[in-house]
Amino acid sequence: NAGVTQTPKFQVLKTGQSMTLQCAQDMNHEYMSWYRQDPGMGLRLIHYSVGAGITDQGEVPNGYNVSRSTTEDFPLRLLSAAPSQTSVYFCASSRDGEAFFGQGTRLTVV
Amino acid sequence: GENVEQHPSTLSVQEGDSAVIKCTYSDSASNYFPWYKQELGKGPQLIIDIRSNVGEKKDQRIAVTLNKTAKHFSLHITETQPEDSAVYFCAASKDSGYALNFGKGTSLLVTP
Repeated sequence: NAGVTQTPKFQVLKTGQSMTLQCAQDMNHEYMSWYRQDPGMGLRLIHYSVGAGITDQGEVPNGYNVSRSTTEDFPLRLLSAAPSQTSVYFCASSRDGEAFFGQGTRLTVV
Repeated sequence: GENVEQHPSTLSVQEGDSAVIKCTYSDSASNYFPWYKQELGKGPQLIIDIRSNVGEKKDQRIAVTLNKTAKHFSLHITETQPEDSAVYFCAASKDSGYALNFGKGTSLLVTP
């Protein structure tokens, strides 16, 4: 049982480049979410989805897009990367409130 | 929005001692309070949670208490072991755990 799988684990981008962080879960959870973790800041919610076709913004959505075409996948798109988006990104899927996190993607924007 | 404060930011205890981490929240509508443990290079993992209709919950060496009136909740770890060393996060949610608001974390070090 893989749980929540994030790819890639590490990524370096140049300012202005775009990319997609992938997230897949095999637990058939309806709810999925993306967080970013910065030193001394805890985890902050970027976007979330309560099911296929439904997404909404969290606390820090600017500069990010999401879509949810299937229950399993919830990709996070950076439209034009900025140094302020250097962070560790975590995807989570939830059932009955309990969130299961992936291993994270460490993104550096130079 | 919800604001979750967590203290202390670092905590060092000797093996066998108890550790207590405290959190306060601002939104009285919050109804779900999980605690996560994060080891280096890994994602957070749920260790215990409590809902607003319960005042205390225990799971072996770990317990969580909730005071709804004061809007604070605490994590208690007894008989600490070196493998308890990690960063611990509290969180609060008003939709039963879906959109989580996290504290800034406590780095716990348990020395042998």
